[in-house]
Amino acid sequence: GDSVTQMEGPVTLSEEAFLTINCTYTATGYPSLFWYVQYPGEGLQLLLKATKADDKGSNKGFEATYRKETTSFHLEKGSVQVSDSAVYFCALLLDGGTSYGKLTFGQGTILTVHP
Amino acid sequence: GAVVSQHPSWVICKSGTSVKIECRSLDFQATTMFWYRQFPKQSLMLMATSNEGSKATYEQGVEKDKFLINHASLTLSTLTVTSAHPEDSSFYICSARAGLVGEKLFFGSGTQLSVL
Repeated sequence: GDSVTQMEGPVTLSEEAFLTINCTYTATGYPSLFWYVQYPGEGLQLLLKATKADDKGSNKGFEATYRKETTSFHLEKGSVQVSDSAVYFCALLLDGGTSYGKLTFGQGTILTVHP
Repeated sequence: GAVVSQHPSWVICKSGTSVKIECRSLDFQATTMFWYRQFPKQSLMLMATSNEGSKATYEQGVEKDKFLINHASLTLSTLTVTSAHPEDSSFYICSARAGLVGEKLFFGSGTQLSVL
């Protein structure tokens, strides 16, 4: 079946450090890929997305490129801030139609950034 | 942006009791809502999909008689964990979809259920 695997956390970094959170997927078709972020006490928010191979999603300094050849969608940021501390979820979606919302999630990666 | 309110954020209950979790879309009408659960260090797993005014569609392995889902209006869906047991302790989160197309999917903040 479809699945998403994220690097295990927690990840602890100092402010301005470079961030990479790995995400790989297994899917029977051609999924859309997402990164969601959950800040403490809040719901999941869409951070960025990519709908086809070689697409790059970007938002708030975060980037991820849809790599079909390696079935990966790694999240990167060049310089993290304390405010980036949150839980990050990688997810895929195979059907963008009426079943949209049936996302397959990774297990989440906790990121803590220290001043 | 759109807001989905989920309540309560955490609940502790005795084994054998029932717990109701509410999910409300505050500023849009949600044609479809989804319920997920997450065990520690595991993925969010879809439990069921509910469409307003119709029965929920449950994922394989999810007991529909134990996890009752009601989507009586376009702004409210409820999940009731009936006769809760310690193994039902988990993090439950809802999401609501606005419209029929596009990535208009919004999540609640989740409910941590602990069954003693």
